[in-house]
Amino acid sequence: DSGVTQTPKHLITATGQRVTLRCSPRSGDLSVYWYQQSLDQGLQFLIQYYNGEERAKGNILERFSAQQFPDLHSELNLSSLELGDSALYFCASSVEGRGIYGYTFGSGTRLTVV
Amino acid sequence: DAKTTQPTSMDCAEGRAANLPCNHSTISGNEYVYWYRQIHSQGPQYIIHGLKNNETNEMASLIITEDRKSSTLILPHATLRDTAVYYCIVRVANNAGKSTFGDGTTLTVKP
Repeated sequence: DSGVTQTPKHLITATGQRVTLRCSPRSGDLSVYWYQQSLDQGLQFLIQYYNGEERAKGNILERFSAQQFPDLHSELNLSSLELGDSALYFCASSVEGRGIYGYTFGSGTRLTVV
Repeated sequence: DAKTTQPTSMDCAEGRAANLPCNHSTISGNEYVYWYRQIHSQGPQYIIHGLKNNETNEMASLIITEDRKSSTLILPHATLRDTAVYYCIVRVANNAGKSTFGDGTTLTVKP
């Protein structure tokens, strides 16, 4: 158990729907990162939050959004889902915003869009 | 962030040292070298990082060449549980979120 909790572990939904993925960072970590891993794209950075504020943005689609709440948990919202959004979504956390000591990853949410 | 080049796959005998190379010839002075691994479809796991000195922890050793253009991750006594994809990442300290994982090296430890 890495200390980073992601729910749900598996999610199956239909095209056009909206889902919310949740992440609780490791205790004491202020920064949360979201990554997408699909078979043909590898691990792609989506977005980072630090202490409630957006810190860095990667290849995140406009249909996707995220936020970090005062208790530091984060949610990734995916809307108007397409088949190509099927992937593993990982959340990672670090104690500070630079991640200089590395990130701790959760076990991921496997999203299947049918 | 600098681009890295890693072999696609490597094999290692159980109990032997696994040496995983990474080339990062365009690395700049303020960029760190990080190594992560991903076992099957689990979340990636941080292994080690360094700037210019060699580093060792309970999991592995990191050897960085003097010109910093390449590095080697060493797993001293590989076990079957070390079979995974190993990612070498180069990034500046302030660019935490934009780490590019690339394709990595698939290490297979064989009995």
